[in-house]
Amino acid sequence: LAKTTQPISMDSYEGQEVNITCSHNNIATNDYITWYQQFPSQGPRFIIQGYKTKVTNEVASLFIPADRKSSTLSLPRVSLSDTAVYYCLVGSYNNNDMRFGAGTRLTVKP
Amino acid sequence: EAQVTQNPRYLITVTGKKLTVTCSQNMNHEYMSWYRQDPGLGLRQIYYSMNVEVTDKGDVPEGYKVSRKEKRNFPLILESPSPNQTSLYFCASSSILEVEQFFGPGTRLTVL
Repeated sequence: LAKTTQPISMDSYEGQEVNITCSHNNIATNDYITWYQQFPSQGPRFIIQGYKTKVTNEVASLFIPADRKSSTLSLPRVSLSDTAVYYCLVGSYNNNDMRFGAGTRLTVKP
Repeated sequence: EAQVTQNPRYLITVTGKKLTVTCSQNMNHEYMSWYRQDPGLGLRQIYYSMNVEVTDKGDVPEGYKVSRKEKRNFPLILESPSPNQTSLYFCASSSILEVEQFFGPGTRLTVL
């Protein structure tokens, strides 16, 4: 069973910041939060992971509040090539308990 | 280059004709898994393996078999394919010390 809830779809325009929120009310103490990006007919690609507070890399930022019951993936200044499905997963290093939900389909418009 | 490879990338077959989809990774990962992806259903895990000779069922294992005789290879076997196994299949691997999974390019299977 998926442990996460995300919006099914979102629209944005080029140059805007996009924030995708994921709810994971039952996150366990040892669970990490991981986000993947998937383009049509390609395998998912890891974007970012975090445990608490804020994590930033060259692609995105991940904001996690103190209670860790939700997280927000932030994509700065999106372009058309960021149109994809974004998945939020929670789980521990024991990967067999991580599940992909339906994800959020982000459409970036010109 | 670190990668997960799958073969074939595309396959059209007929009901009942046994087939194998190969998966290989060159990152010395312990964990490997197979997913299928169908429209509207996201990715669903078929089988996974935590290490050599250790395999376990995922969420949708019916009609599939796997084996893990070597660390780098994790083939998916369909003994008697049926049309409801028409799907896009992905293999993935990861280190047990990391949460990041590396995915293969996918195999699009059509069973007539």
